[in-house]
Amino acid sequence: GAVVSQHPSRVICKSGTSVKIECRSLDFQATTMFWYRQFPKQSLMLMATSNEGSKATYEQGVEKDKFLINHASLTLSTLTVTSAHPEDSSFYICSARLHEQYFGPGTRLTVT
Amino acid sequence: GQQLNQSPQSMFIQEGEDVSMNCTSSSIFNTWLWYKQDPGEGPVLLIALYKAGELTSNGRLTAQFGITRKDSFLNISASIPSDVGIYFCAGQLGRTSGTYKYIFGTGTRLKVLA
Repeated sequence: GAVVSQHPSRVICKSGTSVKIECRSLDFQATTMFWYRQFPKQSLMLMATSNEGSKATYEQGVEKDKFLINHASLTLSTLTVTSAHPEDSSFYICSARLHEQYFGPGTRLTVT
Repeated sequence: GQQLNQSPQSMFIQEGEDVSMNCTSSSIFNTWLWYKQDPGEGPVLLIALYKAGELTSNGRLTAQFGITRKDSFLNISASIPSDVGIYFCAGQLGRTSGTYKYIFGTGTRLKVLA
């Protein structure tokens, strides 16, 4: 139980384009999901908390207009990286909260 | 952003040896968790601790929630090659504010030599 999926697992896009990443809780409902970013050999850094039916809460220093989060249902949250630039290239990981946080497999974004 | 101090940063051990790592913070947490991350994957929950002083096992893994609520340790007994990976501690901030955010440790990179 407590399985979380992410799609796509990898994406390469051109600078200036937008990319959408989906996070789904497959066998449970999650009112709260989280989006993290991880650079190579570093820890996970929380970007935002996604609450079903309400606006996301962003961490300090994370641009909400650049990283759009939508949590339209109890099993799906999406992160859209708008006008992507090479410095946005990273490993993006979502989690869904049941009692603890359960993580998706991550999405490797490369912006060329 | 805030991170928890985790040590050691990395360790090489022989198969069969026991491993110990810990996590410390200047803040109090209500919940401590330990995750393992394989390369290119998301973290997988190993153990969750909810009360100060709590000692919990999951197979060969044992973790404790420090009495002061500012630290936790994880032990792995009789390590095997598949234990290789990065181990992260995480602390959950107080529930009174309604937040369930985690603060993650800096990670311990474990390599097991067969």
